Amino acid sequence: DGGITQSPKYLFRKEGQNVTLSCEQNLNHDAMYWYRQDPGQGLRLIYYSQIVNDFQKGDIAEGYSVSREKKESFPLTVTSAQKNPTAFYLCASRTGTGHAGYTFGSGTRLTVV
Amino acid sequence: AQSVTQPDIHITVSEGASLELRCNYSYGATPYLFWYVQSPGQGLQLLLKYFSGDTLVQGIKGFEAEFKRSQSSFNLRKPSVHWSDAAEYFCAVVPSGGSYIPTFGRGTSLIVHP
Repeated sequence: DGGITQSPKYLFRKEGQNVTLSCEQNLNHDAMYWYRQDPGQGLRLIYYSQIVNDFQKGDIAEGYSVSREKKESFPLTVTSAQKNPTAFYLCASRTGTGHAGYTFGSGTRLTVV
Repeated sequence: AQSVTQPDIHITVSEGASLELRCNYSYGATPYLFWYVQSPGQGLQLLLKYFSGDTLVQGIKGFEAEFKRSQSSFNLRKPSVHWSDAAEYFCAVVPSGGSYIPTFGRGTSLIVHP
């Protein structure tokens, strides 16, 4: 079945460490997104990519980085510059125009220890 | 820029009762509108969407939503709630042009009493 796979499901980071969250899709979708979810704040956009080798900052990009070297993959790195990284991270993808809807992965919960 | 308001943080209903979750948006034209549901620790699942045509749309799990242009609203309804409907519900707005970046509301947590 086609879908989005996020790994790992749980991730623990020490202070000062960079960590990378994986997002892979086999839907042949062009656009991919990373969202951060905190209780009571909904989903906030970190980065998005409309095509391979191109990506744009979202509303809360500081302390994060991404790459889009392959259509299927859109990894997110949480750097040590992100002061409050503990959150639930969701990856999503879209094909075609905006009315098609968005497919979400099952998320990665990142905790700073 | 578009915005989405879900005025109810929590809603509690009894099993079998009807449900309405509110969503209001701000956007210069008619956007694409979506409702998603999220179970704890999971991703978001699409319930239904509106982008044109009939303003009453049917979705999965017995949900429906009505687009009211005059009120800039897209409220989600279900005639009889089941205990398994307890979850977080998100309304989302996507501009009908440009980069198609969705904006999500803050969510409404649905609690179902037996």
